[in-house]
Amino acid sequence: GAGVSQSPRYKVAKRGQDVALRCDPISGHVSLFWYQQALGQGPEFLTYFQNEAQLDKSGLPSDRFFAERPEGSVSTLKIQRTQQEDSAVYLCASSSAATATYEQYFGPGTRLTVT
Amino acid sequence: DQQVKQNSPSLSVQEGRISILNCDYTNSMFDYFLWYKKYPAEGPTFLISISSIKDKNEDGRFTVFLNKSAKHLSLHIVPSQPGDSAVYFCAASFSGTYKYIFGTGTRLKVLA
Repeated sequence: GAGVSQSPRYKVAKRGQDVALRCDPISGHVSLFWYQQALGQGPEFLTYFQNEAQLDKSGLPSDRFFAERPEGSVSTLKIQRTQQEDSAVYLCASSSAATATYEQYFGPGTRLTVT
Repeated sequence: DQQVKQNSPSLSVQEGRISILNCDYTNSMFDYFLWYKKYPAEGPTFLISISSIKDKNEDGRFTVFLNKSAKHLSLHIVPSQPGDSAVYFCAASFSGTYKYIFGTGTRLKVLA
């Protein structure tokens, strides 16, 4: 079956531009996560959705970052007025439940480069 | 403050030998641990997990060991194969929650 897909795979933005990153989770997965992976680092948690409800946004680094999942399936991570420090791979993951013992399935990521 | 640490950024092993990847954590309240494998240009994929009620979990060539008193876990791959060449991340969590805290990864290269 289809896994988690993300688009675009690569995005180059000039500093100050807005970007939108899309995630298509595995069908039927209620939980959706966004992670940021900087170069040489592990993925860092950004935000969590259960269906359409954003239950945790504690990892979003600033109010320039905004995520939504309006119909409980596809999710979009938006970054306004991009800065060079936003350059990273943004990973989306989905899971059939909301506890750590249920595997999170990751997409391939979107590599964002801010110039 | 890095709660999950992988102190070896890279490791090279001959094909057929054992690969041992190490991970240390600082929060003794973590009770669920995972290893993920990542190939270039792909997302991480789940490999194996262990609950803190166990000290060992095995799945084929992969075994994870947990030493709670030392706050240390390790992943053993026996025998190592060239296809195992990837970046390996350990992650820790609290079993009743959803948040994974990842280490910085160890790049394993298995030499043919």
